[in-house]
Amino acid sequence: DVKVTQSSRYLVKRTGEKVFLECVQDMDHENMFWYRQDPGLGLRLIYFSYDVKMKEKGDIPEGYSVSREKKERFSLILESASTNQTSMYLCASTLGQHNEQFFGPGTRLTVL
Amino acid sequence: QKEVEQNSGPLSVPEGAIASLNCTYSDRGSQSFFWYRQYSGKSPELIMSIYSNGDKEDGRFTAQLNKASQYVSLLIRDSQPSDSATYLCAVLNTGGFKTIFGAGTRLFVKA
Repeated sequence: DVKVTQSSRYLVKRTGEKVFLECVQDMDHENMFWYRQDPGLGLRLIYFSYDVKMKEKGDIPEGYSVSREKKERFSLILESASTNQTSMYLCASTLGQHNEQFFGPGTRLTVL
Repeated sequence: QKEVEQNSGPLSVPEGAIASLNCTYSDRGSQSFFWYRQYSGKSPELIMSIYSNGDKEDGRFTAQLNKASQYVSLLIRDSQPSDSATYLCAVLNTGGFKTIFGAGTRLFVKA
């Protein structure tokens, strides 16, 4: 079974703090993704990576950065957290031409 | 126009009935289509994928694809209260890296 884990299920941070969200997959998947999910807006792609040290912007990259130093690990960084970044953050990994996505459990981030 | 459109619902069906969920998409070059189930407070879980026109059946679930009409559907037969969830339609874009998700349809199955 594919296993995607995320570092925290719940996180509370203050405005201006630097926030690290980590994602690890154990199936040697090439592609990894970070989404945020908000009510009424659905899943929105922040960044994705198709190889180590490679990254591509998604639809809403502003205010975020990513790091992929090892194949199994993809980190999302909020350089200076703001209240509008309060959301559910979901990591996913995929393998193969059809890009079937396997999601981690999610991190619910609250920025006060 | 949204790239993947779904009726947000809620769709309410009695236990044992057939639930029909629909989705349209805008990228004509898309080749891969998915249905994910998401329980409240949980992450999406892949339940069906379909790549060619026609029907694909897996247990109580049937996915239907019509590329000419740019239409994907999911039928759930003998609906159970445990099927109550939000169902996300997803389409892999022509480039092959980005998956576009619909906003989801909430399904309630009444016991």
